[in-house]
Amino acid sequence: GENVEQHPSTLSVQEGDSAVIKCTYSDSASNYFPWYKQELGKGPQLIIDIRSNVGEKKDQRIAVTLNKTAKHFSLHITETQPEDSAVYFCAASIKGGTGGYNKLIFGAGTRLAVHP
Amino acid sequence: GAGVSQSPSNKVTEKGKDVELRCDPISGHTALYWYRQSLGQGLEFLIYFQGNSAPDKSGLPSDRFSAERTGGSVSTLTIQRTQQEDSAVYLCASSSPSTRLAGGHLLYNEQFFGPGTRLTVL
Repeated sequence: GENVEQHPSTLSVQEGDSAVIKCTYSDSASNYFPWYKQELGKGPQLIIDIRSNVGEKKDQRIAVTLNKTAKHFSLHITETQPEDSAVYFCAASIKGGTGGYNKLIFGAGTRLAVHP
Repeated sequence: GAGVSQSPSNKVTEKGKDVELRCDPISGHTALYWYRQSLGQGLEFLIYFQGNSAPDKSGLPSDRFSAERTGGSVSTLTIQRTQQEDSAVYLCASSSPSTRLAGGHLLYNEQFFGPGTRLTVL
């Protein structure tokens, strides 16, 4: 079946450094790729998403790149801060039954630790 | 406005008991999803509602799991005869329905997640 692989599972960086998380997906029909941040005891929160008609999207210190040919996408966080510490999940859309809906397959998550 | 809310936030139960988990989606969101997150794992899709109907139940792990949605709003996930392997965080999300664009492409909308219910089966 469809799956999303995410690497690394844990990532430790010094404050101010950059962090990169990579995901690959299997369904060539996927066309929506969100990234979620989950802080301890909270539900995931969307931080950025990208659709298949663009190759890169930026929002302040966060950027996402997409390579549809290779079926992989990446999250880049620059100038990391301690408050960036959380678990990050990538996801890819797959065809969700009749009528179409946003069925997402999630990666296993990356635990990011930013040390002061 | 208010986000997605879930109750209870924590539930401890004994093996074999039934439990009900509740989700209140964002007002006006017709799409509702349930996910399960086991310790240190990603999100596992359970079921999707569009309005009160569930066109996709493919993620429910067994017939002990069921869900319903009434009035196009509140949803309840029920687990019967709970087992220890059911211990996990159960997350609910809601979104506006996907919009079909010219050319047939779907414009997906963000899923907003609730804080989850942590279920512990002893």
